[in-house]
Amino acid sequence: TQLLEQSPQFLSIQEGENLTVYCNSSSVFSSLQWYRQEPGEGPVLLVTVVTGGEVKKLKRLTFQFGDARKDSSLHITAAQPGDTGLYLCAGETDSNYQLIWGAGTKLIIKP
Amino acid sequence: DVKVTQSSRYLVKRTGEKVFLECVQDMDHENMFWYRQDPGLGLRLIYFSYDVKMKEKGDIPEGYSVSREKKERFSLILESASTNQTSMYLCASSSSGDRAYEQYFGPGTRLTVT
Repeated sequence: TQLLEQSPQFLSIQEGENLTVYCNSSSVFSSLQWYRQEPGEGPVLLVTVVTGGEVKKLKRLTFQFGDARKDSSLHITAAQPGDTGLYLCAGETDSNYQLIWGAGTKLIIKP
Repeated sequence: DVKVTQSSRYLVKRTGEKVFLECVQDMDHENMFWYRQDPGLGLRLIYFSYDVKMKEKGDIPEGYSVSREKKERFSLILESASTNQTSMYLCASSSSGDRAYEQYFGPGTRLTVT
């Protein structure tokens, strides 16, 4: 069974700090997506990483796909209260367009 | 922009009632999905559909059924609601081809079964 483990499960930090959240698996994924979900809303796609070692930047967010395509990280620089939310990673499987989902990291940025 | 809408944001039903959750997408996507989301468990796939009238079971189909009569609409049916089906229900859609794994979500329906 393919699993994606996210860590930490919960993170509360002050505005302006840097942070990294992780998404790990023993399985290889063809691609991996990161989503952010705000309270009371559905997840919103942030980025897709496809190539091992790939790094993508979205303003203050940096996403990296591991060389072996088994893990990924999300680094936020100078976190802001607007970054608060649940961050979910999801890996592409080989069949039927299904994604394997991590349980999420709940991030709170305090002003 | 892709828009996925769900028929209700909040719903309260009694045990044993038949419940219909509707989802509509406006981007002509081939694939549609129903998930439930519970704290600490992440998103669990209930059913998905890759074409009109086609459906496949996800990880937790028991107690649910689906209907896709038109490409843009995917309905989730709880035949006889039970308290353990109290959850957040999320609908998503995606295109076919290279971007099939990029899913676009509706705002969710928070269902409470009493």
